Amino acid sequence: GENVEQHPSTLSVQEGDSAVIKCTYSDSASNYFPWYKQELGKRPQLIIDIRSNVGEKKDQRIAVTLNKTAKHFSLHITETQPEDSAVYFCAAPQGTNAGKSTFGDGTTLTVKP
Amino acid sequence: EAQVTQNPRYLITVTGKKLTVTCSQNMNHEYMSWYRQDPGLGLRQIYYSMNVEVTDKGDVPEGYKVSRKEKRNFPLILESPSPNQTSLYFCASSLLGGSNQPQHFGDGTRLSIL
Repeated sequence: GENVEQHPSTLSVQEGDSAVIKCTYSDSASNYFPWYKQELGKRPQLIIDIRSNVGEKKDQRIAVTLNKTAKHFSLHITETQPEDSAVYFCAAPQGTNAGKSTFGDGTTLTVKP
Repeated sequence: EAQVTQNPRYLITVTGKKLTVTCSQNMNHEYMSWYRQDPGLGLRQIYYSMNVEVTDKGDVPEGYKVSRKEKRNFPLILESPSPNQTSLYFCASSLLGGSNQPQHFGDGTRLSIL
């Protein structure tokens, strides 16, 4: 099955700095890579996703990059703000079984004012 | 409003007492899935359903059952709950293509099994 590793587990940055979270996956057939944000006590919500036919996708301060050869994808947040503080999860569906979904263990991002 | 609704939101119960957590979505989504969230372990998939009457195991299915008799509902059943099933549970749904589409999550159900 799919194995997803997410790093770092915690990340603390100063407001205005950039933050990068990386995930590696094992199933070379995986073709969809979402990132979810979970604020304290809330449900996970999709913030950005990328498909395997694209190398990079950007939405304002958030971007995701994908390296299919190396089997890793990264979340980039620029000009961080205190409201970016949350837990971020990556996910990778199993390539040969669209129903199975494996999430990373999460990264707790703290943005200090 | 498009949403995934879980009930109850909180439940404290005792070992062995059967319980059901309901999940309902109003978006006509084909795919639904259950996850449990434990500290440091992310979201682990329990069961999923690609469509009505089609269910399959995720990574941690032991001790759980599900059914999908209608498109909108996907209840999670704990026949004989044990303390190791104390956790935060999330139901999610997506339109087509299973987990290859953005998943919409419910607000979560916090279960405590004493």
